[in-house]
Amino acid sequence: DAGVIQSPRHEVTEMGQEVTLRCKPISGHDYLFWYRQTMMRGLELLIYFNNNVPIDDSGMPEDRFSAKMPNASFSTLKIQPSEPRDSAVYFCASRPGGNTIYFGEGSWLTVV
Amino acid sequence: AQSVSQHNHHVILSEAASLELGCNYSYGGTVNLFWYVQYPGQHLQLLLKYFSGDPLVKGIKGFEAEFIKSKFSFNLRKPSVQWSDTAEYFCAVKIQGAQKLVFGQGTRLTINP
Repeated sequence: DAGVIQSPRHEVTEMGQEVTLRCKPISGHDYLFWYRQTMMRGLELLIYFNNNVPIDDSGMPEDRFSAKMPNASFSTLKIQPSEPRDSAVYFCASRPGGNTIYFGEGSWLTVV
Repeated sequence: AQSVSQHNHHVILSEAASLELGCNYSYGGTVNLFWYVQYPGQHLQLLLKYFSGDPLVKGIKGFEAEFIKSKFSFNLRKPSVQWSDTAEYFCAVKIQGAQKLVFGQGTRLTINP
């Protein structure tokens, strides 16, 4: 299996621009998670989906962040407008009905 | 809310030294416990996990961890580290039946050759 695939791997954008991060989970996995990693706060869960339905978005920092999962093989995390404090590594992860989560390689976002 | 504490932020060891990284969690119910490793510039990879049964679990690359329920701890150990173990290590906890995986702040491990 190819694992969890994220794109872009690296993005540098200007403050105010829209950023879209993409994720393809492992085929057959029912759950998809978006995490953010920063030096200050470590790994934070932003939102997770079960069978394409958002279940818990309490970790989404503010209205500038939105996430969608239109089908079982694709999810997006959008930031509009982006701010420098959004600079972080954004990880997508997926898991089947069991307990082990598999992470993608991350999208390294820098907002200048 | 559940939380995970990793007491050591940065650990520096020489090759062949023994390693123990601390992890404590705050939740009184049944939990699933994990250790992930993140090599520089890479994603998180699962080292080992505990769901039930023998509290001493063995993972990949010679790592092991012991679940001590009375201490709410799940410390990671390795008897003899290698330079290639240089990475960041994350402890994570999931309440059984729930979906969220809560991570500790991570411990950066540097191994000097």
